Amino acid sequence: DTGVSQNPRHKITKRGQNVTFRCDPISEHNRLYWYRQTLGQGPEFLTYFQNEAQLEKSRLLSDRFSAERPKGSFSTLEIQRTEQGDSAMYLCASSSQGGNTEAFFGQGTRLTVV
Amino acid sequence: AQRVTQPEKLLSVFKGAPVELKCNYSYSGSPELFWYVQYSRQRLQLLLRHISRESIKGFTADLNKGETSFHLKKPFAQEEDSAMYYCALSKTGANSKLTFGKGITLSVRP
Repeated sequence: DTGVSQNPRHKITKRGQNVTFRCDPISEHNRLYWYRQTLGQGPEFLTYFQNEAQLEKSRLLSDRFSAERPKGSFSTLEIQRTEQGDSAMYLCASSSQGGNTEAFFGQGTRLTVV
Repeated sequence: AQRVTQPEKLLSVFKGAPVELKCNYSYSGSPELFWYVQYSRQRLQLLLRHISRESIKGFTADLNKGETSFHLKKPFAQEEDSAMYYCALSKTGANSKLTFGKGITLSVRP
């Protein structure tokens, strides 16, 4: 599968623990997006990168959340001191630069905080 | 603020029946509108976008700026159309973030 890859697919963690997710975009794509999706809702934008630069962050991204894309390739999303409200599906998407290009989504990482 | 509204959560039809999935939006400017689909156990994928003016898998959607709507239509539903459908928007001409509606489940019965 040469599409967007996310790991792990599932993560169960205890409240208060830190978790980190990884996203590997399609290789030639320089834009990378993170979204969060909770039950009964559509995906909500969290942040995006163009190459290694983080260009926009949503107000949903509290101080406990941090995202990186150090070499402009893969990205990580870390959540510190997890709370039960962080339980959600975390989606990554990538696209090439330029107008009117399609964003391709990964299969997501499902986080459950117990 | 930009917003996408999908007023219904579920639409259940028989095979061969027409389908219309509603989408309304609010945006101060000229947005680009999309429909994304998620089939069971598959990833979210683009179905169509208004600038393409294409028919994909028999689906069409017309942007009505007066009514700020982008309804998805298909004249004859097939069982394989059963899926979750999301309407989304972004800035025109810019490859930027998507704002999604809550989605609607389409169930096509045999």
